[in-house]
Amino acid sequence: SQQGEEDPQALSIQEGENATMNCSYKTSINNLQWYRQNSGRGLVHLILIRSNEREKHSGRLRVTLDTSKKSSSLLITASRAADTASYFCATDVYGNNRLAFGKGNQVVVIP
Amino acid sequence: DGGITQSPKYLFRKEGQNVTLSCEQNLNHDAMYWYRQDPGQGLRLIYYSQIVNDFQKGDIAEGYSVSREKKESFPLTVTSAQKNPTAFYLCASSMMGQKSYEQYFGPGTRLTVT
Repeated sequence: SQQGEEDPQALSIQEGENATMNCSYKTSINNLQWYRQNSGRGLVHLILIRSNEREKHSGRLRVTLDTSKKSSSLLITASRAADTASYFCATDVYGNNRLAFGKGNQVVVIP
Repeated sequence: DGGITQSPKYLFRKEGQNVTLSCEQNLNHDAMYWYRQDPGQGLRLIYYSQIVNDFQKGDIAEGYSVSREKKESFPLTVTSAQKNPTAFYLCASSMMGQKSYEQYFGPGTRLTVT
């Protein structure tokens, strides 16, 4: 069953602006992961945040996790045209690396 | 180069035919996964395998079959029993252990059945 639900579904921004997208989930999780997918390609792992972590950074990416609200956010700072992609959150519910993916956020960065 | 490969990139089949999608990894990962992606949708898990000669059904296993005879290989057969087989199929692999690990994805196979 689908766990993650991203919001908003589509986002169009100018290069240099920040992009924020959210993900909510329904049950307790062990960790939450964010992935990027360029059109027609496989997914690329961006960041993993564990249930006992509240915030994590990786380069221009910042991920937060609020387990009380069952939600996570992904912030891309100083966006570039190359950030144009779909972004998915995925939750590990069972703790065995079996992931449940959300429907994805489409981000378009206009040069 | 270490990685995960899927072949072919595009596949066309007539309705009623079985078709097998290839997935190979040289990352020495124990776990492998098959997902289906429909347009504008997220990924849905078809089957996964955490060890050779063992695999489990995911959320949408009906009409699909898999085998895991070698650690490196996890082929997926789309059978004629799958009602809507046209989709983008993604294979992934990961380490296994007490904590969770990122999944590494192949480039995908786009299957069209007419």
